[in-house]
Order: sequence, then C-alpha cells, then structure tokens
Amino acid sequence: GENVEQHPSTLSVQEGDSAVIKCTYSDSASNYFPWYKQELGKRPQLIIDIRSNVGEKKDQRIAVTLNKTAKHFSLHITETQPEDSAVYFCAASRFGGATNKLIFGTGTLLAVQP
Amino acid sequence: GAGVSQSPRYKVAKRGQDVALRCDPISGHVSLFWYQQALGQGPEFLTYFQNEAQLDKSGLPSDRFFAERPEGSVSTLKIQRTQQEDSAVYLCASSRGQGEAFFGQGTRLTVV
Repeated sequence: GENVEQHPSTLSVQEGDSAVIKCTYSDSASNYFPWYKQELGKRPQLIIDIRSNVGEKKDQRIAVTLNKTAKHFSLHITETQPEDSAVYFCAASRFGGATNKLIFGTGTLLAVQP
Repeated sequence: GAGVSQSPRYKVAKRGQDVALRCDPISGHVSLFWYQQALGQGPEFLTYFQNEAQLDKSGLPSDRFFAERPEGSVSTLKIQRTQQEDSAVYLCASSRGQGEAFFGQGTRLTVV
C-alpha cells in the first residue's frame, strides 16, 4: 500500500545551523507533497508544499525539493531559530484522484539549541 | 470561521460508551477529512468528504466508526462502543479542493 518514510526521527542542531529532513514515498502517482509543523499539543500547521510539476520551492528560510524519479522530497530550514523546534511531518497525496487523502510520514522531532 | 474548529477538545469515555466528535470546517471548503493521531505518530487517514458525499472511508478501522456530513458543512465522527485502543487525538481538516488541508486543534479521546 501507500507509504511515506521519513528520516531522521530526531534532529538536534545549533541555532543558526541548517536542518534537512528527508522523505520517500511509494505511490508513483503522488503529485502533492505538503510539510506540516506540529508543536506539542497543537494542530499540524501547513508550512510549505510542492506539486509534482515543480522541482524546488522556497519561502524565506524554508525550502522543499522534489525528485520524482527517485520518489523523494526534502525540507530544508536555514538559519534555524529556537522557535523552529517542533515535530515536522511530510505527507504525500494523489491530488485530483478519487480521494485527496494525505499519507503522512512518522515525523521528525527537531530541537534547535540556543 | 477563521479556522477549523473541533469540539470537544477533550473527551473521556468509559469503555463501551458511544461518543460523537464535531468538526466545523473553514467556510466554503468543500473537502473535509478525518484523521486519527496516536501519541508520537503521524496522522492516519480515516475518511474523506467532498461536500456531503463520503468519497473514501477506507481508513475507518472498524464498523464502530461512522462519519457524516449531511449538509456539506459540519461533520460528525461517531464511535460506538468505544475501546481502549480508540484512545487518540482525532483531527479534522478542510480544504478548498486545491490540495492544501488546514487542520483543527483536534479532540483528544481517552477511553478508560
């Protein structure tokens, strides 16, 4: 079945360093890839997304890259700040199909040390 | 409303009790999703509505789970005869139908 693998499960960086989280998906028909940030006890918050017709997208300090051939996509956070500390989830979906359900990765706990 | 609203925020149910969880999506959003999130895990898909039509219920774990969205706006997820393994956060998300899904705060269900 559909599956999204996410690595690493935990990531600790120093403030100001970059952080990279990687995901691999199994469904080759997936065409929409969002990233969510979830702070403890709060709702998942959409931070950036990318569609399959684009290889890279950037929004200030965050960027996402997509390699359709290899079926993997990555989240890059530059100049990390303590408020970036949270759990990050990648997801994949087959947007425009019978269902637009998101298949989530298992999450990455990012800790930014001041 | 400004965002997806879910109620109650917390629910404690005795094993065997029926519960109903409510979701108010963002106004005008045609797509509505329910997800289940266990502690330390990513959200897992339960069911999907487009307007009032339930197009996918493949993620519902058993026939004790039932969801409806009769007028294409508010949705209710009902769990009958709750079991301990049903304890989780139940998240609702809505979307305009362009892919982006916005989540509510969730309902934390604890079955004792």
